Amino acid sequence: AQKITQTQPGMFVQEKEAVTLDCTYDTSDPSYGLFWYKQPSSGEMIFLIYQGSYDQQNATEGRYSLNFQKARKSANLVISASQLGDSAMYFCAITSPAGQNFVFGPGTRLSVLP
Amino acid sequence: GAVVSQHPSWVICKSGTSVKIECRSLDFQATTMFWYRQFPKQSLMLMATSNEGSKATYEQGVEKDKFLINHASLTLSTLTVTSAHPEDSSFYICSARPVDSSYEQYFGPGTRLTVT
Repeated sequence: AQKITQTQPGMFVQEKEAVTLDCTYDTSDPSYGLFWYKQPSSGEMIFLIYQGSYDQQNATEGRYSLNFQKARKSANLVISASQLGDSAMYFCAITSPAGQNFVFGPGTRLSVLP
Repeated sequence: GAVVSQHPSWVICKSGTSVKIECRSLDFQATTMFWYRQFPKQSLMLMATSNEGSKATYEQGVEKDKFLINHASLTLSTLTVTSAHPEDSSFYICSARPVDSSYEQYFGPGTRLTVT
């Protein structure tokens, strides 16, 4: 079974500063993918970034980067230069070819302060 | 990019009635679609996996006779909440995995169901 842990229920960050959202995972699958999604109050799931288990380099997408430490089974999301529009719930998720579906963590609510 | 639509986006129904929610992949084919439920301030929980042309696979604790899933084509899956009760009020989100994809999934915008 796969599991995602996000230990930060809520985080605050000052506008224009960087913030790290923690994510640790547990899986027995040799191959898997890790995702981060943003969910604003509207409810839609917005894809942010993806990291494959065999990727050698950490994924980056604009202001988002993923700090992937495979040995520690962690996949932290780093948001640089926070903006007010970044305030939302953030979910870390894992999937695998075998499991197919996403397993989500409990989420972290990020609030960006002006 | 790949787009998944859901209809309706929100619905209010009376207790005891049935509600159908549609999930469509607009520009790709999906042999597998997933239905998730999200209660307020909680995470998404998988309800069932819908495979085109076969019966859905339900997660433990999800009543298959209450949540009817039909995946009639490679672009459409429907979730019918039968005899809805107030405790079924939730946010229902579908996702679709493109054919030949290992990890990619695309989410619909969700359907907010309120049962009065």
